[in-house]
Amino acid sequence: AQSVAQPEDQVNVAEGNPLTVKCTYSVSGNPYLFWYVQYPNRGLQFLLKYITGDNLVKGSYGFEAEFNKSQTSFHLKKPSALVSDSALYFCAVSSFTGGGNKLTFGTGTQLKVEL
Amino acid sequence: DTGVSQNPRHKITKRGQNVTFRCDPISEHNRLYWYRQTLGQGPEFLTYFQNEAQLEKSRLLSDRFSAERPKGSFSTLEIQRTEQGDSAMYLCASSLVRSRGSAWEQYFGPGTRLTVT
Repeated sequence: AQSVAQPEDQVNVAEGNPLTVKCTYSVSGNPYLFWYVQYPNRGLQFLLKYITGDNLVKGSYGFEAEFNKSQTSFHLKKPSALVSDSALYFCAVSSFTGGGNKLTFGTGTQLKVEL
Repeated sequence: DTGVSQNPRHKITKRGQNVTFRCDPISEHNRLYWYRQTLGQGPEFLTYFQNEAQLEKSRLLSDRFSAERPKGSFSTLEIQRTEQGDSAMYLCASSLVRSRGSAWEQYFGPGTRLTVT
């Protein structure tokens, strides 16, 4: 079985400061890792993914994430937060064992960026 | 707009009634997924289609739930004899998978919010 843990329900950061949203995972086989963002009354928007290759992946809106195999983590980062980044962020994992690429999501982290 | 669309956006129904939701994926996408999201939780996988074939169903999908994708394009999710516990946001996603072992990102629709009274 695959699982994702997002240990922080909420992260508060001042605009202009760096932000980190944490994610750890458990999966059989090689992990495929994703970050999605959800704004109120809207669907999930894809931010970035890690499949293979460089451990640091870059995505939309200046976000990046670092894959750490030994720590089974995939933390989302941004060097300088914007108020408009305030939203609900979900980490997700899938594995190709068994096929399908179904995603298993964490419970989400509410990011609040304040002036 | 060529994204994933879902209809209706909101549905209020009485317990015991049947409801049907529709999802129109991105046109060239061959995979279509259904997820359910309740308040304070991440989306949970329900089922997925490769073209018109339903290849996997979650244990969350009771016998009251059925999904179809008759021509490999749009999909419907029907819930029979709805219960209050069925109240949730139902999300549809699609992806284009070109080869076995690939992991292409899924694009989500806005969801259908179901309220069972």
